[in-house]
Amino acid sequence: GEDVEQSLFLSVREGDSSVINCTYTDSSSTYLYWYKQEPGAGLQLLTYIFSNMDMKQDQRLTVLLNKKDKHLSLRIADTQTGDSAIYFCAEFVNSGNTPLVFGKGTRLSVIA
Amino acid sequence: EAGVAQSPRYKIIEKRQSVAFWCNPISGHATLYWYQQILGQGPKLLIQFQNNGVVDDSQLPKDRFSAERLKGVDSTLKIQPAKLEDSAVYLCASSVGTGFGYTFGSGTRLTVV
Repeated sequence: GEDVEQSLFLSVREGDSSVINCTYTDSSSTYLYWYKQEPGAGLQLLTYIFSNMDMKQDQRLTVLLNKKDKHLSLRIADTQTGDSAIYFCAEFVNSGNTPLVFGKGTRLSVIA
Repeated sequence: EAGVAQSPRYKIIEKRQSVAFWCNPISGHATLYWYQQILGQGPKLLIQFQNNGVVDDSQLPKDRFSAERLKGVDSTLKIQPAKLEDSAVYLCASSVGTGFGYTFGSGTRLTVV
């Protein structure tokens, strides 16, 4: 079955790095995603990683994937107050027409 | 490219009333999803359409929820009658294919009192 777990809260100081962690259960996951949700807004795709990759870097964002441990992390370098939001991890299993399965989200608070 | 449009943005109704939400996906996106996001939780899939056919509605409470996607484009989600526990944000998303390139709308925040 599919299950995605995240820690609920993270607080960091402006300028520090943030690391948001996620674990998933389905080893058949093909893609893993990070979405950002600001208050009153929909989900914005931040980045994704294919399951055959270990790492992906995109400007301030670094995604690390440990398939053996089914662990995904999102590192935000030089965190800014504008990064304050809820971050969702989601997995996609390429089997039939399965949709994305989301975690409960990690609320990132950036302290100035 | 225009995004996924949803309306209304907010809705407050009394329990046992009916409500409908509308979604207009990105042009050319064959797959359309309705997700329910209860406060403090991640989005949970309610129903998935491929063109105008239902692919997955296993999590849709069919005794009170219904959805349709006319002509494989716009979609409506209806709740009749609403319960207090239906208070949530209802998110519509669309994608070209299954599982990749989801684009979400801003959602409709429903409050049932």
